[in-house]
Amino acid sequence: GAGVSQSPRYKVAKRGQDVALRCDPISGHVSLFWYQQALGQGPEFLTYFQNEAQLDKSGLPSDRFFAERPEGSVSTLKIQRTQQEDSAVYLCASSVFLYNEQFFGPGTRLTVL
Amino acid sequence: AQRVTQPEKLLSVFKGAPVELKCNYSYSGSPELFWYVQYSRQRLQLLLRHISRESIKGFTADLNKGETSFHLKKPFAQEEDSAMYYCALLYGGGNKLTFGTGTQLKVEL
Repeated sequence: GAGVSQSPRYKVAKRGQDVALRCDPISGHVSLFWYQQALGQGPEFLTYFQNEAQLDKSGLPSDRFFAERPEGSVSTLKIQRTQQEDSAVYLCASSVFLYNEQFFGPGTRLTVL
Repeated sequence: AQRVTQPEKLLSVFKGAPVELKCNYSYSGSPELFWYVQYSRQRLQLLLRHISRESIKGFTADLNKGETSFHLKKPFAQEEDSAMYYCALLYGGGNKLTFGTGTQLKVEL
């Protein structure tokens, strides 16, 4: 079966532009997570959904970051007015439910010029 | 606050030699720890979790609460073990993972 997919795989944005990153979780997975991975670092938690409910957004670095999962399946991470420090790989993961194994997507590499 | 430390950025060993990737953590609650692996050009995937007490691809990891460690070990390294390894801690009610900075394992022939 298909794993977690993310699009685009690569995104180059000029500073100040808005970007939208998409995540398609494994079908039937209730939990969906977003992580940010800066160069040379491990992934860092951004936000978490259970179905369509965003239960934790404590890791979002600023109010320029916004995530949604309106129908409890596909999720979009939006970054407004991108800054150079937003350059990173953005990882999406899904799991059947809490405490289950998180399956990761390939990531979207965002470069802000 | 929770924290995972992997002191080695790069570990180079010869094929057939033992491997130990170090991981230390700090967490006030009951820890649940994982090792994730990322092979070249592949996505991050779970290798093992401490509650399973499994041996995956010859790797084992024992949780030592006294030393707050969860080191990953393998008695005989294989070339296909070359990859980036991340230690991770589950916290926040089971919905957040915090990762270490990773150790690149290189197995030389």
